[in-house]
Amino acid sequence: QSALTQPASVSGSPGQSITISCTGTTSDVGGYNSVSWYQQHPDKAPKLIIYDVSNRPSGVSSRFSGSKSGNTASLTISGLQAEDEADYSCTSYRTSRTYVFGTGTKVIVL
Amino acid sequence: QVQLVQSGAELKEPGASVKVSCKASGYSFMNYYTHWVRQAPGQGLEWMGVIYPSGTETSYAQKFQGRVTMTRDTSATTVYLELSSLRSDDTAVYFCAREVPDSKYFDSWGQGILVTVSS
Repeated sequence: QSALTQPASVSGSPGQSITISCTGTTSDVGGYNSVSWYQQHPDKAPKLIIYDVSNRPSGVSSRFSGSKSGNTASLTISGLQAEDEADYSCTSYRTSRTYVFGTGTKVIVL
Repeated sequence: QVQLVQSGAELKEPGASVKVSCKASGYSFMNYYTHWVRQAPGQGLEWMGVIYPSGTETSYAQKFQGRVTMTRDTSATTVYLELSSLRSDDTAVYFCAREVPDSKYFDSWGQGILVTVSS
């Protein structure tokens, strides 16, 4: 049961846009529109920021957006801010009522 | 408001078992799924399994089959995770998380419990 593949780190300057990829297979990312993204600051619990590929929960900034193409989902953060510096993880529903997380990406605001 | 409050940190020896809890409040506990996710030091999140509202129906990650048991006490609005035959690589923070039925995402999380396995 391999984890979804994410880049270890992505960096950008304040105001820029960055994109984090999340690559899986046809058994998870490519087979379901059930990709969600979580933001996690150090020593904190994860926080849901995107669900069902591209939907934002109430209260989450519109600077966060999600998309999917084939077996790869993406999270874009536009207008990067210092507070966006955190770890980001994707997850996808996988066959047989299981889930799989991504390897995690550290976002660095330069 | 929705809250998932987890029990305190645990220190266990290799080969032992650990049972941690997650108490829910602020919502209709019986109607939601509860997942367990762990995070080893410096590592990514890892899905362990889910317990459904029936309290008897579960789904576990293949990696933990045979070592993990998830249960719930409806009257106490509490879900439990028990992991047996502990190894050093089970050292991690263990989170519980709520899923609205069939939504396939985790909208609320507990604060996490550090379980350390060491002799």
